[in-house]
Amino acid sequence: GNSVTQMEGPVTLSEEAFLTINCTYTATGYPSLFWYVQYPGEGLQLLLKATKADDKGSNKGFEATYRKETTSFHLEKGSVQVSDSAVYFCALTAQGAQKLVFGQGTRLTINP
Amino acid sequence: EAGVAQSPRYKIIEKRQSVAFWCNPISGHATLYWYQQILGQGPKLLIQFQNNGVVDDSQLPKDRFSAERLKGVDSTLKIQPAKLEDSAVYLCASSPWAGVAGELFFGEGSRLTVL
Repeated sequence: GNSVTQMEGPVTLSEEAFLTINCTYTATGYPSLFWYVQYPGEGLQLLLKATKADDKGSNKGFEATYRKETTSFHLEKGSVQVSDSAVYFCALTAQGAQKLVFGQGTRLTINP
Repeated sequence: EAGVAQSPRYKIIEKRQSVAFWCNPISGHATLYWYQQILGQGPKLLIQFQNNGVVDDSQLPKDRFSAERLKGVDSTLKIQPAKLEDSAVYLCASSPWAGVAGELFFGEGSRLTVL
């Protein structure tokens, strides 16, 4: 079946550090890939997406590239801020489906 | 534009009691989802509605969970009787009919603690 695996957390970084959160997936066909973010006390919200191989999604300084050859969608940011502290979820929808399948989430804490 | 509204935000019950959660999606959104998020895990889909019809309820424990979406707008998720393992955050999400698959709008969730 379809599944998403994220790197284990929690992740703690200093402000202005480089961030990578790894995400790999298992799916048949050509899934769409997503990163969702959950800030403290708020609901999940879409951060970025990519719907086909080699697409790069980007938003708020975050980027992720859909790599079909490695079945990966790693999240990166060049210089993190304290306000980026949140839980990040990688997710996919199978080709032709609407259901989101989530990874287990990675808690990110940025220290000033 | 108002977001997805959920209530109650928090609920504490004893095992074997019942509980109901309410969700009001974004106006005009045809698709509504209920997800269960257990602490330390990613959200898991319980049920998906398209208007007031069920599209996917394959992971809904039907012996104790039920959900309805009357008139294709609001939805209610009920648990009866509750078990300890039902302690989780119940997330409601909606998406427009013509939206991109996977672009969901989530409410803040209803946190259930079963003692």
